[in-house]
Amino acid sequence: KQEVTQIPAALSVPEGENLVLNCSFTDSAIYNLQWFRQDPGKGLTSLLLIQSSQREQTSGRLNASLDKSSGRSTLYIAASQPGDSATYLCAVGVLGDYKLSFGAGTTVTVRA
Amino acid sequence: GAGVSQSPSNKVTEKGKDVELRCDPISGHTALYWYRQSLGQGLEFLIYFQGNSAPDKSGLPSDRFSAERTGGSVSTLTIQRTQQEDSAVYLCASSSPNYSNQPQHFGDGTRLSIL
Repeated sequence: KQEVTQIPAALSVPEGENLVLNCSFTDSAIYNLQWFRQDPGKGLTSLLLIQSSQREQTSGRLNASLDKSSGRSTLYIAASQPGDSATYLCAVGVLGDYKLSFGAGTTVTVRA
Repeated sequence: GAGVSQSPSNKVTEKGKDVELRCDPISGHTALYWYRQSLGQGLEFLIYFQGNSAPDKSGLPSDRFSAERTGGSVSTLTIQRTQQEDSAVYLCASSSPNYSNQPQHFGDGTRLSIL
């Protein structure tokens, strides 16, 4: 069974600092890894998707890396803003399966 | 709108009643997923549809839970004889058929409270 762990569970930084969120997974036989953002009372918004053959994806201030062999992904958010405050979830899709397995999330607070 | 739509957004009901939750996926998305998000439990998978077929029902917690999809579009998740442990946010997601390089798009969920 795929286990996904996110560290830290919560993070508070002053505006302008770079954010580093970590995700680890136990089964390296994945077809993709996705990072989502969730605001309170809302659903999940897809931020970045990395296919298993890729090493990283970038979108604006966001960059996500994937090291499949070691079962790790890192989400970097550059020059954080108060609007980045949210819960960030990592999810992996395992080969031969359709569902995503989610981590518990990292709750980020960016202080103005 | 162009996103995944779920209704109702909130549902409060008494223990023992049946509830129906609805999901309208993005037009053209043949894959549809139901997840449940509980405090302290994270996000757990319930069921997956490809078209109108459900090849994976492995996540349904008990036989009180059922789901169907009609016309390859709208899906309903039904919970019979609700229990307090069914209280959670139920999220629906859809994606295009090539799931390896297409993200799942989520609705805002239905917040279910069982009294």
